[in-house]
Amino acid sequence: QQQVKQSPQSLIVQKGGISIINCAYENTAFDYFPWYQQFPGKGPALLIAIRPDVSEKKEGRFTISFNKSAKQFSLHIMDSQPGDSATYFCAASNGGGANSKLTFGKGITLSVRP
Amino acid sequence: DTAVSQTPKYLVTQMGNDKSIKCEQNLGHDTMYWYKQDSKKFLKIMFSYNNKELIINETVPNRFSPKSPDKAHLNLHINSLELGDSAVYFCASSQGWGSYNEQFFGPGTRLTVL
Repeated sequence: QQQVKQSPQSLIVQKGGISIINCAYENTAFDYFPWYQQFPGKGPALLIAIRPDVSEKKEGRFTISFNKSAKQFSLHIMDSQPGDSATYFCAASNGGGANSKLTFGKGITLSVRP
Repeated sequence: DTAVSQTPKYLVTQMGNDKSIKCEQNLGHDTMYWYKQDSKKFLKIMFSYNNKELIINETVPNRFSPKSPDKAHLNLHINSLELGDSAVYFCASSQGWGSYNEQFFGPGTRLTVL
């Protein structure tokens, strides 16, 4: 059972456009929602994260929007650049305890065309 | 300076062999992890250690045995390799336990079992 579902499966955006990646989760106990970015041949790296006490978090061109009632959150990349081309993973976890773990979505590949 | 390093980067071996992957972090973190990323890029946690103590042990065949000689190292030994073990294995580390802490991933080890 996939607890964190991403959509779309892949995304192609023109340079300067807005990239939007959506994520839906099932476990209402989840309380931490990070996005990780992975370039080919590299390990994932934390991009931005949100807790459910806020509905939006912005860091530079990257914004997370969070909808607790719908159990959905999304990543918006403004003014998308070719250097943003990568695989993006949403994730979720419950609690900060020792045995809490990140559950990842399947990832989506973003291609930003010049 | 490499924060989380893994060796080897590529590993090609025959079915039935035993192999090890080494991981070292120089971030001074207390917690280390092993993840498996399959051919569809799905990323799933296998193990986590905190100060050399096993914390998370997901449903992983007991052919996989992690070993942490000190808190800066977490190695993964795999016995009797099977075709389905082919994947990219990522080591990661974080300051403190619990999934609220940012995880820093290594570059990955691509394991191919023939």
